[in-house]
Amino acid sequence: AQKVTQAQTEISVVEKEDVTLDCVYETRDTTYYLFWYKQPPSGELVFLIRRNSFDEQNEISGRYSWNFQKSTSSFNFTITASQVVDSAVYFCALTPNAGNNRKLIWGLGTSLAVNP
Amino acid sequence: DAMVIQNPRYQVTQFGKPVTLSCSQTLNHNVMYWYQQKSSQAPKLLFHYYDKDFNNEADTPDNFQSRRPNTSFCFLDIRSPGLGDAAMYLCATSREGRTNEKLFFGSGTQLSVL
Repeated sequence: AQKVTQAQTEISVVEKEDVTLDCVYETRDTTYYLFWYKQPPSGELVFLIRRNSFDEQNEISGRYSWNFQKSTSSFNFTITASQVVDSAVYFCALTPNAGNNRKLIWGLGTSLAVNP
Repeated sequence: DAMVIQNPRYQVTQFGKPVTLSCSQTLNHNVMYWYQQKSSQAPKLLFHYYDKDFNNEADTPDNFQSRRPNTSFCFLDIRSPGLGDAAMYLCATSREGRTNEKLFFGSGTQLSVL
């Protein structure tokens, strides 16, 4: 089965706290891609990062970092020193290599509230 | 800036009254998608076009139709909206629809059905 699980439905933190959003995936494919998208209150989904299954190197972009571990099928997202503007729903998604390549498999999203 | 534009931002229609949502893109991407997103849920793919080739998802109701008259524009037609069709409708594009491509989304149209 192809599946993405974001166990945290809602997270609330105070500004400047670090926060990690969990993402666990299931796929039988050896080649696949993982994504994170951000959906702020305005509604537009914004691409954050893409990672292919052969690249387990962690990535840092400013206050954002991603930890990809194939051994645990996880692709977690950490925001360091969170800010109010980080408040949004964050979706983790998977595209398996097999089957309909154009269909993303989405997690249910984690709603992050960063309070001043 | 190149982008995906959806109009209108908010649409109110009556139960059973046909409604059309529009999407345009300046990215010159081959693939355009329509997603339905209900409150606190993940986006659900309704269908997509690869160029002029229409691809319907198996579980998309017949009530939902789409047209893509040219590369830039794509329309979502809901023939007889029901209360359950109230949702955010998101249009997205990708260059070639490959597995590794990111999607570019519009701001969405929030549809209310009275």
